[in-house]
Formats: sequence, structure tokens, C-alpha cells
Amino acid sequence: DAKTTQPNSMESNEEEPVHLPCNHSTISGTDYIHWYRQLPSQGPEYVIHGLTSNVNNRMASLAIAEDRKSSTLILHRATLRDAAVYYCIFNFGNEKLTFGTGTRLTIIP
Amino acid sequence: KAGVTQTPRYLIKTRGQQVTLSCSPISGHRSVSWYQQTPGQGLQFLFEYFSETQRNKGNFPGRFSGRQFSNSRSEMNVSTLELGDSALYLCASSRLGQATYEQYFGPGTRLTVT
Repeated sequence: DAKTTQPNSMESNEEEPVHLPCNHSTISGTDYIHWYRQLPSQGPEYVIHGLTSNVNNRMASLAIAEDRKSSTLILHRATLRDAAVYYCIFNFGNEKLTFGTGTRLTIIP
Repeated sequence: KAGVTQTPRYLIKTRGQQVTLSCSPISGHRSVSWYQQTPGQGLQFLFEYFSETQRNKGNFPGRFSGRQFSNSRSEMNVSTLELGDSALYLCASSRLGQATYEQYFGPGTRLTVT
């Protein structure tokens, strides 16, 4: 199964940028990198995904390393509502997304 | 646009029984995936259906099965329930497939097996 490595937990101050790292050294050239987050007592929520180039949307930015073995999710200005578990995942050739344990992000007011 | 809906939201069953869960995807979405979430194992992929065909399957026993109808609605069935099947079952829909398109998750069905 596809394997990603993320820190178990991170903290950030409210209204500051947050950089969430992810390592995915076994990724292949055609695998998309996806980020989802799960707020307490809710189902996962799509954040962003990309293949090679950096991606931006209204929620976040995704910076993908040139060798694609790592990526960083950037929340430009964290709010209390961003406190969640963030999952970095990719399909493993057979198009089967596997969620790891994710990074629990705590926002400090 | 309405989101992904799952019914029922909560369910209590006893060991040995079977259960059927239902998922209605977002209109226009043809892919439906099912996941099991438990505190110990996290979020685990069960299977994905696309245009009424199972496209991918996770590492779960044959007691777990599913199907998709022509209107893209999907059901999953668990037979001979075990205590370990107690979990939150999540359904997610995407336009053409989970690998390259964003998924939208429903609120889940909380299954308790006693």
C-alpha cells in the first residue's frame, strides 16, 4: 500500500501560516498527491491535490518538491476552524487511496 | 448542490446479524468509495464502485460487500457481524474516481455491534 510519513502532531498560533510536511518517497510519476482534513466528529474534507506543479485554491496551497518525494501543505493564515487531522495520501498505481494516521494540528488562540 | 447523504446515521446490531448501509452521492458523481474508521486502525479503504462496477477493493474479508445502482447510489452490506465491525462507515463520492479527483465525504453511519 502507498506509504506517506507525516508528523503525528503540530501546533501553530492563530493567524500565522502553517506548513504541514509529508514524505512520500515511493510515489510514482503518475500518482496524484491528495490532502484531506478531518474536523472533530465529521467526515474527511477535501483540501487540495496536485501532480507536479504547485497548486493553490481558496483553502490552501500545495508545494510539491521537484523530485516529488515530498510535499508541503500551506495554510496561509490559520484560524481556530483549521484545527483538524490532516491526511496526506496518494494512490499506489492501482488507484486505491490509503489514508495514514495523519497530522493532528492544534491552533493556539 | 446537495452533499453526500448516508442512511441510517446510527445503527445498533447484535453479533451474527447482517446490516445494509446506504449512500447517495452528489448528483453527477459516478464514483462511490466506502471507508471504515476506527480509533485503532484509522481510516481504511473498503471498496470503490464506478458505473455499477467494483473498481478497487481493500483488505477486508468477504463478509463486506457492496453494490452500485444505475443512479450511482451505493449500498454496502456486512454479513455475520462481529464485535470488531463496530466503527464509523464513511461513503465518499467523486466525479470520475478517487485517484485523480477530489472526494466528498458523507457524515457517516455509526455502527455498534453488541
